[in-house]
Amino acid sequence: AQKVTQAQTEISVVEKEDVTLDCVYETRDTTYYLFWYKQPPSGELVFLIRRNSFDEQNEISGRYSWNFQKSTSSFNFTITASQVVDSAVYFCALSEAGGRDDKIIFGKGTRLHILP
Amino acid sequence: DTGVSQDPRHKITKRGQNVTFRCDPISEHNRLYWYRQTLGQGPEFLTYFQNEAQLEKSRLLSDRFSAERPKGSFSTLEIQRTEQGDSAMYLCASSPAVGYTFGSGTRLTVV
Repeated sequence: AQKVTQAQTEISVVEKEDVTLDCVYETRDTTYYLFWYKQPPSGELVFLIRRNSFDEQNEISGRYSWNFQKSTSSFNFTITASQVVDSAVYFCALSEAGGRDDKIIFGKGTRLHILP
Repeated sequence: DTGVSQDPRHKITKRGQNVTFRCDPISEHNRLYWYRQTLGQGPEFLTYFQNEAQLEKSRLLSDRFSAERPKGSFSTLEIQRTEQGDSAMYLCASSPAVGYTFGSGTRLTVV
């Protein structure tokens, strides 16, 4: 069965600090997709990244970077030089590509507070 | 189209009443999804359409829930005889492939 675990319920850091959000997933499939979404206080889910299970290259986008390690079933997300606008709930998610519907299974989220 | 639109943004209803939500997806997206998010939880899959065909329903959807997508365009989600446990954010998303664009959601409060 699919499962996504975000062990960190809530994190607070001071602005400009780096912060890493952990994500561990479970799946029986060899082909799957991993995602990160951001949910700011406005409530809308904002897509950040999608990663195919065959692509283990780390990715960097501005202050955001992602570390995908199949050996540990982890897909961690790091924000460098955090800013107050980064305050939000962040969700890690999993989709088994072999499924017909591509439904996404979400973790419970990590609430990130960036303190000025 | 600038994104996925959901209406209304907020709905307060008395227990036992019926409610209907609407979702307008991005026009060229043929897949449409409904999710439910309760406080402190991640979104949970409810149902999925490919064009007008409803291809999967979650076990979370009791018989009181029904969704339609006539002509493969907008979709409606109806909840009959609402219960307090139905209070949640109902999210719609659309997609041309893997990876969604979500709407802002409809927050339902059952009193």
